[in-house]
Amino acid sequence: AQSVTQLGSHVSVSEGALVLLRCNYSSSVPPYLFWYVQYPNQGLQLLLKYTSAATLVKGINGFEAEFKKSETSFHLTKPSAHMSDAAEYFCAVTGYNNNDMRFGAGTRLTVKP
Amino acid sequence: EPEVTQTPSHQVTQMGQEVILRCVPISNHLYFYWYRQILGQKVEFLVSFYNNEISEKSEIFDDQFSVERPDGSNFTLKIRSTKLEDSAMYFCASSAGTLNYGYTFGSGTRLTVV
Repeated sequence: AQSVTQLGSHVSVSEGALVLLRCNYSSSVPPYLFWYVQYPNQGLQLLLKYTSAATLVKGINGFEAEFKKSETSFHLTKPSAHMSDAAEYFCAVTGYNNNDMRFGAGTRLTVKP
Repeated sequence: EPEVTQTPSHQVTQMGQEVILRCVPISNHLYFYWYRQILGQKVEFLVSFYNNEISEKSEIFDDQFSVERPDGSNFTLKIRSTKLEDSAMYFCASSAGTLNYGYTFGSGTRLTVV
């Protein structure tokens, strides 16, 4: 079975600073990994996905994530935080059959002016 | 851009009542899912549905829950006898296929059981 662990339930950065949200996965098969963002009172929006092609994946809103098999990690980064990035971020994983995407506990990103 | 539509956005029901949450997946998608998120907690998988049958379900999805695709466009989640602990945001999602497809999520139905 697949699972993901997000380190840090709450991350706070200053506007313009680097954003780093951590995700480690556990999977018995090659995983497909995803990052979703949830703004207050809204649904889940796909930021980016890793599907065994390039290990560095670029997503929307300037975010990117790098798949590192040796570290079983898929951390999300953005070089310069914007106030509008404040939201909850979820890492997720599926296996071969894509039938049951499993989410991490989420990381709430706060951006200070 | 195609969307997954969920109705209603908020439903309040009395404990013990039946509720049906409705979803209209993206029209050419074949895989359908329900997730729930209790306030302040993680997003939890409930069930996946393909080819008119359940393909996977979690331990949360007990006999009180059922899913149906009644007419080829809607995908519903029924809770037969709601409990207070069923209060949560319920998300529907759909996917075009397996492997490298992500899911498209609806904006959710907030269910409040009183």
